Parts: sequence; structure tokens; C-alpha cells
Amino acid sequence: QVQLVESGGGVVQPGKSLRLSCVASGFAFNRHGMHWVRQAPGKGPAWVAVLLSDGITKYYADSVKGRFTISRDTSRNTLYLDMSRLRTEDSAVYYCGRGYDSNGYFPNYWGQGALVTVSP
Amino acid sequence: DIVMTQSPDSLAVSLGERATINCKSRQSVLYTSNNRNYLGWYQQKPGQPPKLLIYWASTRESGVPDRFSGSGSGTDFTLTINNVQAEDVAVYYCQQYYSVPYTFGQGTKLEIK
Repeated sequence: QVQLVESGGGVVQPGKSLRLSCVASGFAFNRHGMHWVRQAPGKGPAWVAVLLSDGITKYYADSVKGRFTISRDTSRNTLYLDMSRLRTEDSAVYYCGRGYDSNGYFPNYWGQGALVTVSP
Repeated sequence: DIVMTQSPDSLAVSLGERATINCKSRQSVLYTSNNRNYLGWYQQKPGQPPKLLIYWASTRESGVPDRFSGSGSGTDFTLTINNVQAEDVAVYYCQQYYSVPYTFGQGTKLEIK
């Protein structure tokens, strides 16, 4: 069955960097687009980024563009989110999601999330 | 960005009754070349990630009870839950995937009356 397990969350100061990982199993990792979606406490989900199955095409929300980088290692079936110049408003649970198909579109499977807290 | 607006923000329904949640997009999410609406619905319970219920506006995800149904086209969409059960208490979100950034509605909280 499809499994997605995030790790790498924690408490970090503003301006610092953090890398999230998402280990995928139970499906052909290189055939699906993969998403990161975040959810601040008490708020709704907010889409962050998607990496299409070609491993090259990436799209980002404006709020993270230039600061966050989505990537993958197909040999490790792992999706990454490198976050730099973190801000307090980046505090959230970060979910990775398997895209519906090679184009990603919508996540049809989600991990349990990794909590990122950006605090002085 | 395509703004998604849901209504109502919350609703209370008696067990066995019907719940109707609306979602409106500021611009059409219908891709005319394939006649597909790039719109999905999610259910989220406390402490859990969102769960996909409906995609392409009306296609039920595998394993989702058939009391959940989606309808609509263009800019106006509806999630209908027939015969509401206690386990349906959750927050429901619509999401458009017509164009990046893929935006969500603000959510509708369903409670039992």
C-alpha cells in the first residue's frame, strides 16, 4: 500500500534553514508528481510546491518562491523540501502528497506530516 | 491566483439528513479541451491529514462511501453528503488544480445537530 513518511521537522530560528524528507513506498515513485502542502495551526491547507514526474518541472507558491526548493532522489524514493530564510509565518505542519499522476494535479495520498516551528 | 470560496463556513445537520457544501472559484476550472473540471474535495478530521473524497469534481475516490457525491461545473461546485453519519464530522475543503498555485477553499466545518 502507498506510504509516505515525513521527517526533519523541528524548531528553528527565523532566517535559518531546514530540510524536510518524505520517504515513499508502495508505488512507482518516479511516475508520479509529488507535492508539499502545509497547514498552519487552526488554518486550512496551503499548497507549497509540486515536482512533476520528469524530476525537472517544479512549481512553487509565491510565498516560498526563491526560498524553498523541492527535489527528489529516486534511488532512495525520497522527496525533499529545502527551506531557507525561514520566517515565523512558515510555521506549520508540512505534508507530502503523492500526485494523482505524472502531472501531479492533486494529492491522493498524504503523509502524516512534519511540524516546523519557526521561533526566535 | 484562483480564489476558492466555500459556503457556509459551518453547518450542523441531524444524523441521517443531507449536508450540502458549496465551493465557488473566481475563474472557471473547466478545461474545455477535455471537458474536465479540475476540482477536488477533501475531508479532514482532527490530527489527521486531509483525505481525498472527490476529484474531477464528481469522481468518487476508491473506498469513499457513495453517500458522498460531487457536482457542478465551471465556477460553482457542490459536495453533498446524504444520510450523514457521526463519523462524517470533519472539516471539508475544495481545491482547484487547474493552475498553479493550487488553491484551497477556507473550509466548511460539519457538525451533528
